[in-house]
Amino acid sequence: EVQLVESGGGLVKPGGSLRLSCAASGFTFSSYNMNWVRQAPGKGPEWVSSISSGTNYIYYADSVKGRFTISRDNAKNSLYLQMNSLRAEDTAVYYCARSGLSRYYFDYWGQGTLVTVSS
Amino acid sequence: DIQMTQSPSSLSASVGDRVTITCRASQDISNYVAWYQQKPGKVPKLLIYAASTLQSGVPSRFSGGGSGTDFTLTISSLQPEDVATYYCQKYNSAPFTFGPGTKVDFK
Repeated sequence: EVQLVESGGGLVKPGGSLRLSCAASGFTFSSYNMNWVRQAPGKGPEWVSSISSGTNYIYYADSVKGRFTISRDNAKNSLYLQMNSLRAEDTAVYYCARSGLSRYYFDYWGQGTLVTVSS
Repeated sequence: DIQMTQSPSSLSASVGDRVTITCRASQDISNYVAWYQQKPGKVPKLLIYAASTLQSGVPSRFSGGGSGTDFTLTISSLQPEDVATYYCQKYNSAPFTFGPGTKVDFK
């Protein structure tokens, strides 16, 4: 069974940093592209960042480019999102999501971790 | 960047009704569209990818169509458990944008 478990969310002040982690199990992690998707309260999902299986390709939404860094450790079956210079508008539930069939749609999602940016 | 729009933004229907949601891309994206269902308080769930391929385990009353710029999600016979918000998403190239959503509820 595919499982994705996010951690690392919490309350942080504007300008602060957080590092999110996603522990994957139930599939060959190193063979799949992986993603972060967020959802602000009462809003629809917003794609944040993607990383290919071998880290050759990395993509960011314009809203986070230069502030967020996606990475992965295939030996640890883990995905990460380093978030710096956080803003109030980054407040959201952050989901780790697996890509399907080497394309960037999302076939499995974790339960999410809440990031709140507030003073 | 390519923009994704959906219509209607919300709809009310009765059990057994045929429901169609439209998603439009601002440029040709071939068939690189996925559809998701999100029930209140739950995680989004993949329904359809490649515009018309049903994800494993999704009921056959859901179907998708279209290519290029215009896409549809159809529920052939609306069931009570289908109350949700539905989102399309483009994935031909980054950014992998979601549409604004269509909320489906009962009359």
